[in-house]
Amino acid sequence: GESVGLHLPTLSVQEGDNSIINCAYSNSASDYFIWYKQESGKGPQFIIDIRSNMDKRQGQRVTVLLNKTVKHLSLQIAATQPGDSAVYFCAEKEGTGRRALTFGSGTRLQVQP
Amino acid sequence: DGGITQSPKYLFRKEGQNVTLSCEQNLNHDAMYWYRQDPGQGLRLIYYSQIVNDFQKGDIAEGYSVSREKKESFPLTVTSAQKNPTAFYLCASSMKVITEAFFGQGTRLTVV
Repeated sequence: GESVGLHLPTLSVQEGDNSIINCAYSNSASDYFIWYKQESGKGPQFIIDIRSNMDKRQGQRVTVLLNKTVKHLSLQIAATQPGDSAVYFCAEKEGTGRRALTFGSGTRLQVQP
Repeated sequence: DGGITQSPKYLFRKEGQNVTLSCEQNLNHDAMYWYRQDPGQGLRLIYYSQIVNDFQKGDIAEGYSVSREKKESFPLTVTSAQKNPTAFYLCASSMKVITEAFFGQGTRLTVV
């Protein structure tokens, strides 16, 4: 399949451990944030989102934390599984102005069995 | 099934030729987007459309053109003016501009 993110930072974890993937954003006007998962040769899949009026949001095995003071977003994956291996992107959207997602450069998650 | 369909999955083009990538959605979404992805990089916005018959340039629109004549369709033309067109192209749609975008499976364009 196609290779995306050949030179991306990589996080390697053991199966069953918790994973934390970080993302810094620069646009203080952003008010909506999303995490996507992308497997090789496929389109990104939505994982979880959060609006700027929240600090934390939980889904199934995933939690997103937003720190607006330092413009930092993180994705926590509990009990990481081999199927979680992929490239993870954060994306942000401005409240006004450009109404489209701006993506970060991505992090590759490798889960060791 | 509802979703976004991009075609073809693989596309080869000779230098100097224009080529059009198809993107169709049956989700009744208002907004549609085109992104380009190169190895080692995130997705970069080419064009987006919030409503039929309207679209805006993204960060790397030079050498590309789009149309939005129907709500469900947002084709992207890669023109000969695009100097480095070989890439993975992703189409997405969202119900409104402040909700999550759903992506198609992409088209890999290779210039030969």
